[in-house]
Amino acid sequence: GAGVSQSPRYKVAKRGQDVALRCDPISGHVSLFWYQQALGQGPEFLTYFQNEAQLDKSGLPSDRFFAERPEGSVSTLKIQRTQQEDSAVYLCASRDQASGNTIYFGEGSWLTVV
Amino acid sequence: DAKTTQPPSMDCAEGRAANLPCNHSTISGNEYVYWYRQIHSQGPQYIIHGLKNNETNEMASLIITEDRKSSTLILPHATLRDTAVYYCIVRVAASNTGKLIFGQGTTLQVKP
Repeated sequence: GAGVSQSPRYKVAKRGQDVALRCDPISGHVSLFWYQQALGQGPEFLTYFQNEAQLDKSGLPSDRFFAERPEGSVSTLKIQRTQQEDSAVYLCASRDQASGNTIYFGEGSWLTVV
Repeated sequence: DAKTTQPPSMDCAEGRAANLPCNHSTISGNEYVYWYRQIHSQGPQYIIHGLKNNETNEMASLIITEDRKSSTLILPHATLRDTAVYYCIVRVAASNTGKLIFGQGTTLQVKP
C-alpha cells in the first residue's frame, strides 16, 4: 500500500486480556519499528526489526510485550495480560533506506485497557 | 544520539511564517537533524532533515547554524492545518538501528 497500515485502529481490552496489534509496513521497507505513545507524551521506542530479525528490543517495558515479524513484512505486537498502564497509542513505522533513511509512521492503534 | 531542547509551545498567526527553534549543542559530526510533526490523533509525519546545509522542500525550510548547535524549522505561510506538535530529533542516519528518540516537542498553535 501507499503507507504504513495498522489494525485495529481502536481496541478496548479488559484488564488481563491478551491483545495483538498488526502492522503492514510500506512495501519493500526492510526496517520496522514499534513505538508506544502515552497521552500527552512523545512516542517512545519499543523495538526494531531488520527483515525478520529483531535487532533491538531494548524499549519493551516488560516480558508481557512481544513482537514478531516472521516473514520480514507484516509485524505483530502482542501484549499479554494487559494492565491499565498499557493504555496508549501503539505506532508502527518503517524505513526507506533507499532515500535518506526516512522513517514513515502509521496512524497508530489506540489501546484502552479497562 | 544527541539531546534536543525545544520550547514547549508557540503561537503563530495564520498566513505568517512560523519559526520553530531547536537547540542541539551536543550534536556529533555524523548526526542529522530531523523534523517531524504530529497532528492530533495521527501518527508522526516526516517534514524535513539536514546535515549542515540549509534545506527546503514543499513543506518547510530548515536552517542549521554554522556550528550546527541549533536549527530553525520555518513554515513560510502557516495555515490552521499546521497546528500540531513539532519534534526536532538528531540521529545518525545510517546507524544500525537509526531509531528516532522523541522529546516533548513544541506545540504550535496557528490562530486565525
